[in-house]
Amino acid sequence: NAGVTQTPKFRVLKTGQSMTLLCAQDMNHEYMYWYRQDPGMGLRLIHYSVGEGTTAKGEVPDGYNVSRLKKQNFLLGLESAAPSQTSVYFCASSPIVYTGELFFGEGSRLTVL
Amino acid sequence: DAKTTQPNSMESNEEEPVHLPCNHSTISGTDYIHWYRQLPSQGPEYVIHGLTSNVNNRMASLAIAEDRKSSTLILHRATLRDAAVYYCIRRGSYIPTFGRGTSLIVHP
Repeated sequence: NAGVTQTPKFRVLKTGQSMTLLCAQDMNHEYMYWYRQDPGMGLRLIHYSVGEGTTAKGEVPDGYNVSRLKKQNFLLGLESAAPSQTSVYFCASSPIVYTGELFFGEGSRLTVL
Repeated sequence: DAKTTQPNSMESNEEEPVHLPCNHSTISGTDYIHWYRQLPSQGPEYVIHGLTSNVNNRMASLAIAEDRKSSTLILHRATLRDAAVYYCIRRGSYIPTFGRGTSLIVHP
């Protein structure tokens, strides 16, 4: 039982390059989320999805795009990476009920030079 | 505002109980209180949740105030492995919102 898997775990980009982070969950959860965490900060929500084919903006969506073509996958894209996007990115999923716990991936550490 | 308020940091000695407070004065009647913890270099993990009654599980206890405006996560005997950032969040909408949490320091 893998839970929530993020790939890649580490990546170094140059300013202006693009990349995609993949989040995969095998728990048949409806909701999925992308957060970023900067040193000394809490988790800030970038985008989220409440089901296959749906996405919505979170607290800090600028510079990112997402897609949820399949229920189990939630992709986070950076079209033109900037140094301000250097961060650790966490994906999470949850079932639809309020009591449903959030399951997090191990994180993807991105450095933009 | 869906955010909660927690102290930035707390310290404890090993094998002593720890009480981590959380203020959620604007909580609605259907919001659950969830607690998560984040060990160094890991993703957050679920600890416990509750609505109105106190809750216990193998990891911790959760005490919820009668007016539900605050709650306390109780670690009955802190260990060095409990050193982490603890987050209290409201769970009642699509968007779980995390603050900076409480950094728990455990002294041997």
